[in-house]
Amino acid sequence: DIQMTQSPSSLSASVGDRVSITCRASQSITSYLNWYQQRPGKAPQLLIYSASSLQSGVPSRFSGSGSGTDFTLTISGLQPEDFATYYCQQGYSTPHTFGQGSKLEIK
Amino acid sequence: QVQLQESGPGLVEPSQTLSLTCTVSGGSISSDAYYWTWIRQHPGKGLEWIGYIYYSGTTYYNPSLKSRVTISVDTSKNHFSLKLSSVTAADTAVYYCARDPRGDNWFDPWGQGTLVTVSS
Repeated sequence: DIQMTQSPSSLSASVGDRVSITCRASQSITSYLNWYQQRPGKAPQLLIYSASSLQSGVPSRFSGSGSGTDFTLTISGLQPEDFATYYCQQGYSTPHTFGQGSKLEIK
Repeated sequence: QVQLQESGPGLVEPSQTLSLTCTVSGGSISSDAYYWTWIRQHPGKGLEWIGYIYYSGTTYYNPSLKSRVTISVDTSKNHFSLKLSSVTAADTAVYYCARDPRGDNWFDPWGQGTLVTVSS
């Protein structure tokens, strides 16, 4: 199985800040990397697919980059509704695996 | 737009079989463009992909669960189902169904999730 490792596991920031979360795959996954946001008690929601494509309806302050083994999710200009947990997921091979999550909290 | 909704018992006894159904509305499960997927999340933990089914009945399961998992599809009812046998407390989780664009391997949309507790 491909292992996905996110960092940091938790971070705190203020409204208006720019934050980045990284995801590293244990082997190359080309651009088969997706990002999800999960708010407490809710299902995950797709933010970014194929490493850098913004899902329809997702605000443009979210962006993704990377290829191969190293990827980054960036949120520019944090809004109150962005404080949540973020997961990366590889779609390169089955079983599809997720990172352990990065919890973004209000400072 | 397409919506997914999980249903099934919230409590299952150890050694029994967990059974859940995901009903798809706003779209056809018989589309050749999608895989229909089950994912679970242990309380306070990360996400685990269980497996998927194609409308034709083709399945792929996570090897870690393969011996206990069966996913089936009923195109006449526009739903697909999950069965997990010989459950233990370690199978207590929120179970989600989701749609996966065939070949792209991301998940959208998701159902709201249903908590299944394994306990006597």
